Amino acid sequence: EAGVVQSPRYKIIEKKQPVAFWCNPISGHNTLYWYLQNLGQGPELLIRYENEEAVDDSQLPKDRFSAERLKGVDSTLKIQPAELGDSAVYLCASSGGTSGANEQFFGPGTRLTVL
Amino acid sequence: DQQVKQNSPSLSVQEGRISILNCDYTNSMFDYFLWYKKYPAEGPTFLISISSIKDKNEDGRFTVFLNKSAKHLSLHIVPSQPGDSAVYFCAASDYGGSQGNLIFGKGTKLSVKP
Repeated sequence: EAGVVQSPRYKIIEKKQPVAFWCNPISGHNTLYWYLQNLGQGPELLIRYENEEAVDDSQLPKDRFSAERLKGVDSTLKIQPAELGDSAVYLCASSGGTSGANEQFFGPGTRLTVL
Repeated sequence: DQQVKQNSPSLSVQEGRISILNCDYTNSMFDYFLWYKKYPAEGPTFLISISSIKDKNEDGRFTVFLNKSAKHLSLHIVPSQPGDSAVYFCAASDYGGSQGNLIFGKGTKLSVKP
């Protein structure tokens, strides 16, 4: 079974530029999560989707961050414009199917560096 | 205010000995707890979990203990192996409330010396 796929793995941009991250969850997983992980910290939830609906986006900085999951499968997270403080690892996770809602499976993450 | 706390940033143990990683939580509504393992440049990998209705769950070399009255859980690895060297994250969920959102601790870096 293929795992959660994320791209790109690394991204370096200058501040004020836009950036987008893509995630394809495990097949059959209806729930998709985007997390932010700063250095030395645990992952922090940005947004959670149930199918194509964003059911929890309370931690998403909506002035510059946006996300979509139009067909209820893959998802895109966008930052526009990026700031220096956005440098972090952005993790995508999915859950559901036979694994149960609590066991989230993570992708390798996208490491963003904003210069 | 951190709801899930891992107060030891790092732990070093000898191969073959027991590793004990600790985690404390503050929210009494948490009813499901998980441990994730993370290698550098990889995403966290699910390791073991425990429901609040249990006080122990075992899977091979890994055992998680839950003390609800103390709001404390621990992960025991016996025997420890060099391949266990990684960052371990404790996570908690109030599945009955927020439907599965995980709150993570900051992680403990385990180093197992050969």
